[in-house]
Amino acid sequence: ILNVEQSPQSLHVQEGDSTNFTCSFPSSNFYALHWYRWETAKSPEALFVMTLNGDEKKKGRISATLNTKEGYSYLYIKGSQPEDSATYLCAPDTGRRALTFGSGTRLQVQP
Amino acid sequence: DSGVTQTPKHLITATGQRVTLRCSPRSGDLSVYWYQQSLDQGLQFLIQYYNGEERAKGNILERFSAQQFPDLHSELNLSSLELGDSALYFCASSRDTNTGELFFGEGSRLTVL
Repeated sequence: ILNVEQSPQSLHVQEGDSTNFTCSFPSSNFYALHWYRWETAKSPEALFVMTLNGDEKKKGRISATLNTKEGYSYLYIKGSQPEDSATYLCAPDTGRRALTFGSGTRLQVQP
Repeated sequence: DSGVTQTPKHLITATGQRVTLRCSPRSGDLSVYWYQQSLDQGLQFLIQYYNGEERAKGNILERFSAQQFPDLHSELNLSSLELGDSALYFCASSRDTNTGELFFGEGSRLTVL
């Protein structure tokens, strides 16, 4: 069983605040790291799939970095908006089994 | 729209009963995954099929079974249902067996009374 930890569990920020959260995973048997965004009453959607140590991906105001040697990834949201409210899931990918998701960080952005 | 179709969207049944959840993957995707989300729990991996064959098993109960048919659609069978089986069941698909990006359906919400 892969041990995936996400912190914090939940986060309340004001509109316009920037925020970040962490995904920690075993650095051995690493193949890729996935970030998903899961809005209430919808299904999870992929944000990023990251494979290279030091990689940085960006989509609009959301970006992510990856450190495969120490086994962590950060997700950053710049200038949070109410529509960013969602649960953000990470899942390390060993390339040999289905994705094991962390319990997620629930973000609530207050207008 | 992810291209993954799940039916039914909602299902209410009684303890001891059996239900079947259906999933049609995205066109061209060979892998199908089933995940369960119970109250206050994260996404728990149940089982994966690739091109008709079982590929990986997660926390799937013996009362549950699945299969993937030649047209690549998949069914998850849940039997001898218990109250604790009430959950949202997601199907996801991907192009091949080494995951890559997963595309999730909208889920089937099962309520066991």
